[in-house]
Amino acid sequence: DAEITQSPRHKITETGRQVTLACHQTWNHNNMFWYRQDLGHGLRLIHYSYGVQDTNKGEVSDGYSVSRSNTEDLPLTLESAASSQTSVYFCASSVGLAGNNEQFFGPGTRLTVL
Amino acid sequence: GDSVTQMEGPVTLSEEAFLTINCTYTATGYPSLFWYVQYPGEGLQLLLKATKADDKGSNKGFEATYRKETTSFHLEKGSVQVSDSAVYFCALRTSGGSNYKLTFGKGTLLTVNP
Repeated sequence: DAEITQSPRHKITETGRQVTLACHQTWNHNNMFWYRQDLGHGLRLIHYSYGVQDTNKGEVSDGYSVSRSNTEDLPLTLESAASSQTSVYFCASSVGLAGNNEQFFGPGTRLTVL
Repeated sequence: GDSVTQMEGPVTLSEEAFLTINCTYTATGYPSLFWYVQYPGEGLQLLLKATKADDKGSNKGFEATYRKETTSFHLEKGSVQVSDSAVYFCALRTSGGSNYKLTFGKGTLLTVNP
């Protein structure tokens, strides 16, 4: 069955370290998204991509970067982790057709920055 | 810009009670509207959607009607079960072209007691 996976599921790191969170989908979806979920803020969009080599900033992109070298993967990199980036991170994908906007979400990665 | 406002939680109900979670939105044009549900420890999944005014989305006993005149998309269920305990997110997608991003509300935690 097609799916979207995230790894690791839990990560503890130290301030200043570079961290990469993986997202892999097997639906062959064009669109991929990264969100962070924080109490009192709901889901906020970090970065998104509408296809290979395409990346765009979301509303909370500072301190994060993404790259899209193939259809299946959109890794999220924290260049220099900060305590404010402690959060739960969700990756999502969608097919990208005008009449079908459902986003499929991964199980999430809980990141703690000490 | 686009925004979604949900009723503040948490909401606690007894089994078989009636549920309403209010959602109002601000958007240009004619957005598509969604309700997503997040069960404990999982990612979000689509519950229902409506793509034009007066459409009613329904799934698993939940319903929501797209009301353009009041810019609302309230979620209702006639008789909740313990298994409905989850966080519910209202979301919108701005109409037009190749924009596939979703704007989410902050989420409403529902707890149903037996």
